Amino acid sequence: EVLLTQSPATLSLSPGERATLSCRASQSVSNYLAWYQQKPGQAPRLLIYDASNRATGIPARFSGSGSGTDFTLTISSLEPEDFAVYYCHQCSDWPMYTFGQGTKLEIK
Amino acid sequence: QVQLVQSGAEVKMPGASMKVSCKPSGYTFTGYYLHWVRQAPGQGLEWMGRINPHSGDTDYAQKFRGRVTMTRDTSINTAYMDLSALRSDDTAVYYCARDRSGTTTGYFDYWGQGTLVTVSS
Repeated sequence: EVLLTQSPATLSLSPGERATLSCRASQSVSNYLAWYQQKPGQAPRLLIYDASNRATGIPARFSGSGSGTDFTLTISSLEPEDFAVYYCHQCSDWPMYTFGQGTKLEIK
Repeated sequence: QVQLVQSGAEVKMPGASMKVSCKPSGYTFTGYYLHWVRQAPGQGLEWMGRINPHSGDTDYAQKFRGRVTMTRDTSINTAYMDLSALRSDDTAVYYCARDRSGTTTGYFDYWGQGTLVTVSS
């Protein structure tokens, strides 16, 4: 099973600042990695797939990068609605899809 | 627009079975795989398996094999997820989610609202 380790567990930033979230895989997942945003009481929302492709309707301030074992989600300038929990997810290791434990992005 | 509507919350006794339904709309039901993902209270996400609504073929995460059954009824465009031999650690919100591609990618672009299942005596 591919383990995904996200860091930091909590990130405290202010609106307008740049956020950088990390996801490290225990073995290579190529570029089969996605990022999801989840707000309290809501289902997750797909932001990025194939490591760097924005999903439909996702603002350009969200970007993804990386391949192999190291991945980054960057939010270039935080908006108030961006404060949420972010999960990375790999679909390389079939049929053992796994998620990271999440990074909570909170308002400083 | 695409929507996935799930059945309501349930409370189950340990050892019982649960069945959650998922009714998509706004697209061709048989054109996209449906996945099931669960989230225990305050915890992360866990993939359980998927079903091809066209063929009925299923794939399950190893952890759930033998306890989970995913089915669909194409006459009413509804998918179901059954989980048996429930334990307290099966208490979670269960989501159905659509694969973003008709050929299945493992990425989930639309999600149901979630169904809370509480297992308690």
